[in-house]
Amino acid sequence: EVQLVESGGGLVQPGASLKLSCVASGFTFSDYWMSWVRQTPGKTMEWIGDIKYDGSYTNYAPSLKNRFTISRDNAKSTLYLQMSNVRSEDTATYYCTRCTRGGLLLLQWWDYWGQGVMVTVSS
Amino acid sequence: ETVMTQSPTSMSTSIGERVTLNCKASQSVGINVDWYQQTPGQSPKLLIYGASNRHTGVPDRFTGSGFGRDFTLTISNVEAEDLAVYYCLQYGSIPYTFGAGTKLELK
Repeated sequence: EVQLVESGGGLVQPGASLKLSCVASGFTFSDYWMSWVRQTPGKTMEWIGDIKYDGSYTNYAPSLKNRFTISRDNAKSTLYLQMSNVRSEDTATYYCTRCTRGGLLLLQWWDYWGQGVMVTVSS
Repeated sequence: ETVMTQSPTSMSTSIGERVTLNCKASQSVGINVDWYQQTPGQSPKLLIYGASNRHTGVPDRFTGSGFGRDFTLTISNVEAEDLAVYYCLQYGSIPYTFGAGTKLELK
């Protein structure tokens, strides 16, 4: 059974840094691109970015690129999101998701999601 | 950035009805659109990928269609478990972007 379990969230002050983790199980982690997606308290969904299966390439939402860094440790089947200089607008539930890519048309789909971890930025 | 506009924002339906949810992209995204369902307190769940491909285990009452800028998700014979928020997502260009969602409620 595929499982994605996020951790590392909580209450953090504006300007601080925070690192989220996502431990994967039930599939060969090193075969898949992985992504982070967040959902605000108002339910707005935002794609943060993704990382190639071997960790050699990342994509980011331009608005977050300078503050957020995605990395992975395939030996530990773990995905990370390093957040720096956090702001109140970063308050959200953060989801780790598995991205499957396939077909001649280079389709993508996010077929497994973690339960999410809440990050609250407040003084 | 490609803006995904979903309509309606919410809709009321009765069990057994057929409903159509819409998603319009601000620029062409080909068939690079997925649909996700989110019930209260749960993580999003994949329904449709590549605009029209039903994900494994998704009931055939869910049908996706569209190309370019206009996409639809049709639910035939709505069941109680379908009452949820539905999001479209485009991955035709970075940043990938979601619509604001359509909330399907019981009439």
